[in-house]
Amino acid sequence: AQSVSQHNHHVILSEAASLELGCNYSYGGTVNLFWYVQYPGQHLQLLLKYFSGDPLVKGIKGFEAEFIKSKFSFNLRKPSVQWSDTAEYFCAVSFMTTDSWGKLQFGAGTQVVVTP
Amino acid sequence: NAGVTQTPKFQVLKTGQSMTLQCAQDMNHNSMYWYRQDPGMGLRLIYYSASEGTTDKGEVPNGYNVSRLNKREFSLRLESAAPSQTSVYFCASNRAGGGAYEQYFGPGTRLTVT
Repeated sequence: AQSVSQHNHHVILSEAASLELGCNYSYGGTVNLFWYVQYPGQHLQLLLKYFSGDPLVKGIKGFEAEFIKSKFSFNLRKPSVQWSDTAEYFCAVSFMTTDSWGKLQFGAGTQVVVTP
Repeated sequence: NAGVTQTPKFQVLKTGQSMTLQCAQDMNHNSMYWYRQDPGMGLRLIYYSASEGTTDKGEVPNGYNVSRLNKREFSLRLESAAPSQTSVYFCASNRAGGGAYEQYFGPGTRLTVT
């Protein structure tokens, strides 16, 4: 069965530090990849997505992610975080199989806390 | 555009009680979804509706039923609530297909079953 894993469940860092969150999936076929963010008390919103083309994608709020097909990974990065980046981050993968119809499967999430 | 709306925002039920969570979207989306979010487990798909008139089970459908009332509305029903159904429930929608288009999420319903 396909799966999505996020390496870190909880990350604490200081403002201006760089952030990298890992996401791996298990499936050898076509995938669509997403990162969602959930700010405290808010609903999920899309940070960025990858369907095809340039494996380095840029999203909102200075976030970017790189798809490395050989490593089945889609890591999220931000060079310099701000206190307002405190949130929970979810990697989501759509496995384009006939069974799954492209349903999204989410990772467990990474809680990021940015300290002033 | 309100996007995806959900009611209620909070609910406390006793074991065995029933309730219906309501979801509506005003984006003319074809597909709608119900997820539950539990700590350390991310979001898990309960049921989805690929288009008006169709519904299908997701990863964790036991104990739930759904109705796609029309293109706008997709409700989730708990017939006999259990403490294991304590969770935050999110409704989502997208233009079509599970993975080809971004999903838009509602604000969530926090449900506690005692």
